[in-house]
Amino acid sequence: VQLAESGGGLVQPGGSLRLSCAASGFRFSSYWMTWVRQAPGKGLEWVANIKHDGSEKYYVDSVKGRFTISRDNAKNLLYLQMNSLRVEDTAVYFCANLGHSGGWYPDSWGQGTLVTVSS
Amino acid sequence: QSVLTQPPSASGTPGQRVTISCSGSSSNIGSNTVNWYRQLPGTAPKLLIYSNNQRPSGVPDRFSGSKSGTSASLAISGLQSEDEADYYCAAWDDSRGVFGGGTKLTVL
Repeated sequence: VQLAESGGGLVQPGGSLRLSCAASGFRFSSYWMTWVRQAPGKGLEWVANIKHDGSEKYYVDSVKGRFTISRDNAKNLLYLQMNSLRVEDTAVYFCANLGHSGGWYPDSWGQGTLVTVSS
Repeated sequence: QSVLTQPPSASGTPGQRVTISCSGSSSNIGSNTVNWYRQLPGTAPKLLIYSNNQRPSGVPDRFSGSKSGTSASLAISGLQSEDEADYYCAAWDDSRGVFGGGTKLTVL
């Protein structure tokens, strides 16, 4: 299993950014996927989940209406469109696939991409 | 303030057994399974335990998990220097994922 995030960078407050996560080594179209973030020096925070076919999506309250999770199963790509970015969105963003063996658990993780929101 | 509560720090000497606790509520640990992750500085978290007490392939049996009511624990036996890391518990809560604040384990 390999997951590789990209698209991070420096953006001003109120700006937008789209993160991508390229998946390989597993049947991407059969797995729920998730985004988890980690602010500098802080703990892990779940951001969003998406069902294998994209028909169900869940978000943490702090990003609802601003972030959109999506996927392209034909290209094995997961996305996170981030709009109206705030300073408090500054974090390393990880993508992960959710395990198949019952319950919710991010299984394999990418290396993360850093998003910095600052003026 | 994290939804799941973990002690901020723990310590032990090589060879010792240490446990890390994770306290939640009826909407998360009380009704869903618990997972544990280890994170070394500058790296991605790694899954250690899923579904309360299941180890992914490749995780040594020195690591074990348990759950009772609204609390869970991670036990590490035969502590090694490379176990020095941050440890996080996680669970599903109604319609959101939740993590503990993390426990920094120091091997003395």
